[in-house]
Amino acid sequence: TQLLEQSPQFLSIQEGENLTVYCNSSSVFSSLQWYRQEPGEGPVLLVTVVTGGEVKKLKRLTFQFGDARKDSSLHITAAQTGDTGLYLCAGQMSGSEKLVFGKGTKLTVNP
Amino acid sequence: GAVVSQHPSRVICKSGTSVKIECRSLDFQATTMFWYRQFPKKSLMLMATSNEGSKATYEQGVEKDKFLINHASLTLSTLTVTSAHPEDSSFYICSAVGTSGWYTDTQYFGPGTRLTVL
Repeated sequence: TQLLEQSPQFLSIQEGENLTVYCNSSSVFSSLQWYRQEPGEGPVLLVTVVTGGEVKKLKRLTFQFGDARKDSSLHITAAQTGDTGLYLCAGQMSGSEKLVFGKGTKLTVNP
Repeated sequence: GAVVSQHPSRVICKSGTSVKIECRSLDFQATTMFWYRQFPKKSLMLMATSNEGSKATYEQGVEKDKFLINHASLTLSTLTVTSAHPEDSSFYICSAVGTSGWYTDTQYFGPGTRLTVL
């Protein structure tokens, strides 16, 4: 059973379109992180959300943490080809340093 | 800040040999480091938690005698794949959590090591 369900797994869109990636769980997380990974490289941290209902913006990326801290979303506005990559959500439970990763969303933005 | 390096970035070895991968936190101290394995187009799978000065904690299904972890200092953890076989070929990634200040509570990832066993 996957603790953190991430969807969609694959997404192919045209440049300029908007998209949303979801991470859902039945478990409560003390924090949730979003990473972006390029092929052959390690994940790079985009954002950490810790408060229920929190919304963080990073240029064209908007991250939201659910009120109950069980789910999160990443919304990209006006996607660019440079946004292409693997997006990973990862949750941290209270009292643990471990991260629980979603399966990832492979995003391809076509010119 | 928060730079984590891995060495080597790529390694090719013959079946039956052992390979050591280093993970270093370059600008912060890390009491805890994690080792992950990632298969093509898949997410990260946690292999073990490495704590400085103590034995590593392995996840279920990961052979501790196969994947030896040594966290000798606050900036260095090593993963040795012993008697490597082709099925051990994978992308190995480490992460580090800082001991204090800005770097605590967040895992910073290394660039990964691509292991190919022939």
